[in-house]
Amino acid sequence: AQSVTQLGSHVSVSEGALVLLRCNYSSSVPPYLFWYVQYPNQGLQLLLKYTSAATLVKGINGFEAEFKKSETSFHLTKPSAHMSDAAEYFCAVTRSGGYQKVTFGIGTKLQVIP
Amino acid sequence: NAGVTQTPKFQVLKTGQSMTLQCAQDMNHNSMYWYRQDPGMGLRLIYYSASEGTTDKGEVPNGYNVSRLNKREFSLRLESAAPSQTSVYFCASSLQGGGHEQFFGPGTRLTVL
Repeated sequence: AQSVTQLGSHVSVSEGALVLLRCNYSSSVPPYLFWYVQYPNQGLQLLLKYTSAATLVKGINGFEAEFKKSETSFHLTKPSAHMSDAAEYFCAVTRSGGYQKVTFGIGTKLQVIP
Repeated sequence: NAGVTQTPKFQVLKTGQSMTLQCAQDMNHNSMYWYRQDPGMGLRLIYYSASEGTTDKGEVPNGYNVSRLNKREFSLRLESAAPSQTSVYFCASSLQGGGHEQFFGPGTRLTVL
């Protein structure tokens, strides 16, 4: 079985401040992990993914995430928030090999305060 | 290259009516998915098609049927709509399952009265 927990359904940061969105996963086998972003009234799009190569993964728009096996975490960070980062962010987990179900977290809405 | 397209964008149904949500992708992907998104519940998988000619149930298949018409198209049918099916529906596709990125359509916002 696999699962994802996103801590904090709403996060507010000031423009220019550090963005930290938390994701913890549970998986009985080595996982593949994803962060997706959803802007208002749009579908999800991939920010970044971890597939067992480098543990620090860089994505689009200045975001990055670090895979920490000992903490079963895959937190998303960005050094300086922009107004355009306001969106909902989803962490997701799956496994390698053939068809494997992707399990999504419930999402974290990021508000950026000017 | 349109990616994943969905029709319609919005729909209002009365309880008991039926409708089909259409989805098409032009990326030559093998796998396609239907999700519903509800506040506070993230995305829940309704049905998926790992490859052309196959379909399987996801987490919440009750009240829905699907057809993988060909490699490009994957439709979702509500035979007798219920208010509990009010939701935003997303179609997605990926080259294969597992570690491959899923590409999402823009969604269909469905209200059942």
